[in-house]
Amino acid sequence: GAGVSQSPRYKVTKRGQDVTLRCDPISSHATLYWYQQALGQGPEFLTYFNYEAQPDKSGLPSDRFSAERPEGSISTLTIQRTEQRDSAMYRCASSATRLSGELFFGEGSRLTVL
Amino acid sequence: AQSVTQLGSHVSVSEGALVLLRCNYSSSVPPYLFWYVQYPNQGLQLLLKYTTGATLVKGINGFEAEFKKSETSFHLTKPSAHMSDAAEYFCAVSEGAGNNRKLIWGLGTSLAVNP
Repeated sequence: GAGVSQSPRYKVTKRGQDVTLRCDPISSHATLYWYQQALGQGPEFLTYFNYEAQPDKSGLPSDRFSAERPEGSISTLTIQRTEQRDSAMYRCASSATRLSGELFFGEGSRLTVL
Repeated sequence: AQSVTQLGSHVSVSEGALVLLRCNYSSSVPPYLFWYVQYPNQGLQLLLKYTTGATLVKGINGFEAEFKKSETSFHLTKPSAHMSDAAEYFCAVSEGAGNNRKLIWGLGTSLAVNP
C-alpha cells in the first residue's frame, strides 16, 4: 500500500484474553518492525522481520508475545493471556532495507487491557 | 549501552519564536541520530537524520539539527515556530552503521505553540 496501515486502531480487551494486531507495510519494503510505546515513554523495540525471516525477537517481553510475517508482507503481533501491563500503543514500521535509516510508521494500535 | 536524553518533556513557545528541543545521547560507537515527529492522531514521521558527513542537517518543515560530537548532542531547532509545529518530537540513536532495528528512543518532548 501507499503507507503503513495498522488495525485495529483501538482495542479494549479483558485481562486473560488473546489479542492480535495487524500491520500492512509499504509494499516494496523488506523490513518490518514492531515497537511498544507505553504512555509517556519512547517506543521500545520488540522485534523485526527481514521479509519473512525474524532475525531478532529479543525485545519481546515474554513468551506471551509472538509475531509472524509468513509471506514477507503483512505481519501480525499476538499477545496471549493479556495482562494490564500490556496496555500500550503498539507501533509498526517498515523500511526499504535494514540499513536505510528511515522508518515509516503506521498510526499505531492502542491496546487497553481492563 | 546507548541512551538518549531529551531535556524537557514539555516545551511551549510563541508563534514566530525560536524552537529549540534538546537531545543528548551516549554511544560507544559513531552514532546515527534521528528526529521523529508525531502529529496528533498520526504515526511517527522522520524529520531529519544524521549519518555521516555534514554535521548540520536540514529536515522537513524548516527544522534542522546539528551533531556536536564533543557535546554528545543533537539539538533540534527551527528559527520561527508555526502553529502547525505543535506535536510530539522524539530523538533516537541507532547503534552501528544504520542498524535501525535497534533504535534507542528518548521519552519525547511535547511542543506547544501559542498564538
